[in-house]
Amino acid sequence: EAGVAQSPRYKIIEKRQSVAFWCNPISGHATLYWYQQILGQGPKLLIQFQNNGVVDDSQLPKDRFSAERLKGVDSTLKIQPAKLEDSAVYLCASSWGENLKQETQYFGPGTRLLVL
Amino acid sequence: GQNIDQPTEMTATEGAIVQINCTYQTSGFNGLFWYQQHAGEAPTFLSYNVLDGLEEKGRFSSFLSRSKGYSYLLLKELQMKDSASYLCAVRDRYAGNNRKLIWGLGTSLAVNP
Repeated sequence: EAGVAQSPRYKIIEKRQSVAFWCNPISGHATLYWYQQILGQGPKLLIQFQNNGVVDDSQLPKDRFSAERLKGVDSTLKIQPAKLEDSAVYLCASSWGENLKQETQYFGPGTRLLVL
Repeated sequence: GQNIDQPTEMTATEGAIVQINCTYQTSGFNGLFWYQQHAGEAPTFLSYNVLDGLEEKGRFSSFLSRSKGYSYLLLKELQMKDSASYLCAVRDRYAGNNRKLIWGLGTSLAVNP
């Protein structure tokens, strides 16, 4: 079974520039998550999708971050404009859905973003 | 409020046993996960507890006490490759049937020869 795919793996941009990340979840997984992980900390949930609907985006800085999952499969996360403090690893994860046992999250390799 | 506490760092010797503790406070506890994260890699699932007691899976075991808001991850016969960060995450139920995973900061385990 193929895992969660993410691209790019690394990105270096200057502050105030824009950047976009792409995620392809495990086939059949209805729920998709975007996390931000700063070095030495646990993952921080940015947004959670159930199919193509948003379940939780309470910690998404909506003035600069946006995300979509138009067809309920792939997702993109965008930052515009980027700030220095956005330097982090952006992790995408997916899970089957609402069943308790099946909500184990499987993570992609992440995108390492450095904002200069 | 929601809070998860785990030690920042631990050190152990190859072949030994180590216990990583996690205490939590949530309003609607709905399960606890342990994940392993090697440096520069994504977290990978280790264990899941929703009822009190011990869940054993090979060299790794995870224990939960819901009344005490406490869990631990037990690693036996430590190997060098077990050097990693171990993340405790609690699923919290809120606003009806919504669920959110609350993550701890992780415990960085160093296994020495």
